[in-house]
Amino acid sequence: DAKTTQPTSMDCAEGRAANLPCNHSTISGNEYVYWYRQIHSQGPQYIIHGLKNNETNEMASLIITEDRKSSTLILPHATLRDTAVYYCIVRGNFGNEKLTFGTGTRLTIIP
Amino acid sequence: NAGVTQTPKFRILKIGQSMTLQCTQDMNHNYMYWYRQDPGMGLKLIYYSVGAGITDKGEVPNGYNVSRSTTEDFPLRLELAAPSQTSVYFCASRLRGQGSNQPQHFGDGTRLSIL
Repeated sequence: DAKTTQPTSMDCAEGRAANLPCNHSTISGNEYVYWYRQIHSQGPQYIIHGLKNNETNEMASLIITEDRKSSTLILPHATLRDTAVYYCIVRGNFGNEKLTFGTGTRLTIIP
Repeated sequence: NAGVTQTPKFRILKIGQSMTLQCTQDMNHNYMYWYRQDPGMGLKLIYYSVGAGITDKGEVPNGYNVSRSTTEDFPLRLELAAPSQTSVYFCASRLRGQGSNQPQHFGDGTRLSIL
């Protein structure tokens, strides 16, 4: 599975859009980009995933560049409850079953 | 729809004791997983199962056992608890989709201390 690089921490004002970047320059053609978050010590929460097209659901939007070497998770209207560690994970369509969680980005929403 | 439910939420064990961490899901997911997360670290896969009656080792299986007699339940057994097994344990499940691109959904964890 491709390695990902994320900023260690970010701040965002409450009510604004939070844009979390992720670099995955070694991604291969069959690898998906997944985003999870972990609030305090709760279980990881699935947010969104995609292959090459931009994706949107009720929680967030995922923008994947045309070359697929990077992506951005967008939380459109951040609230204090969005304060968490956000993980970008790249994983193949077939192969081993583990999810490799890196160090993630600690997002703090500022009131 | 409760999702993935783990019990107990907290437990303290003495060295050498045994216990079973329970995990059940009501989403009819085929795949189930056990991870452990040590403080400040990422998750490590212990065991997983692709369906009832089938289990496979993950990255760190030593000291643990699992079984999968039903689709819903995937208990994790510690036979001889050791201090190195102090951790937070997460259970997850997912649908069998095309390839393996269906996301995993996690429970809230069991915090286990071995003293």
